[in-house]
Amino acid sequence: EPEVTQTPSHQVTQMGQEVILRCVPISNHLYFYWYRQILGQKVEFLVSFYNNEISEKSEIFDDQFSVERPDGSNFTLKIRSTKLEDSAMYFCASSELRTGGAGGYTFGSGTRLTVV
Amino acid sequence: KQEVTQIPAALSVPEGENLVLNCSFTDSAIYNLQWFRQDPGKGLTSLLLIQSSQREQTSGRLNASLDKSSGRSTLYIAASQPGDSATYLCAVMDSSYKLIFGSGTRLLVRP
Repeated sequence: EPEVTQTPSHQVTQMGQEVILRCVPISNHLYFYWYRQILGQKVEFLVSFYNNEISEKSEIFDDQFSVERPDGSNFTLKIRSTKLEDSAMYFCASSELRTGGAGGYTFGSGTRLTVV
Repeated sequence: KQEVTQIPAALSVPEGENLVLNCSFTDSAIYNLQWFRQDPGKGLTSLLLIQSSQREQTSGRLNASLDKSSGRSTLYIAASQPGDSATYLCAVMDSSYKLIFGSGTRLLVRP
């Protein structure tokens, strides 16, 4: 079964450093997303991406965040200057259609980001 | 603003029991509803997707229903097994195509 692949599985970084989280969405999917889950809290939407541009972003997704599809397979989330409160599990997801399609969203296994 | 609530927050049952997890949402203007399973510290595994025009979906021992007008969904698990132990998340796709998640139900199936 096709998978969304995320790397690394765990990243520890110092406050103020830049991090890049990487994702390989399912190859025939056109819509890409980042969600995050702070420990003990709900999974929350960060950003959606289609046709090489951001479709929608949440209030959380401020100027320190950016997304990019640098080639035909990767989808990245960059946090420019990490803060302690950025510590969370970051999930990448992809879907065939904007409304999900037959299979809905497929999520990756996540990157646990710890900011110290 | 769409809010998704799941009850109970936690459930412990003996192996073999049938059980029902509940999900409610405040705005009926949804495109679909998806149930996920999350193991501790792991990713989200999609279990069932119900489109807004559908009433239920089934996969193996799982059955999910949707009553959009009342803002409710249930996930029914038949003949529960210890391997079913996980957190079950409900998410609705709102009118702006975002998934809004509930807090989940933490299920423990005791051998």
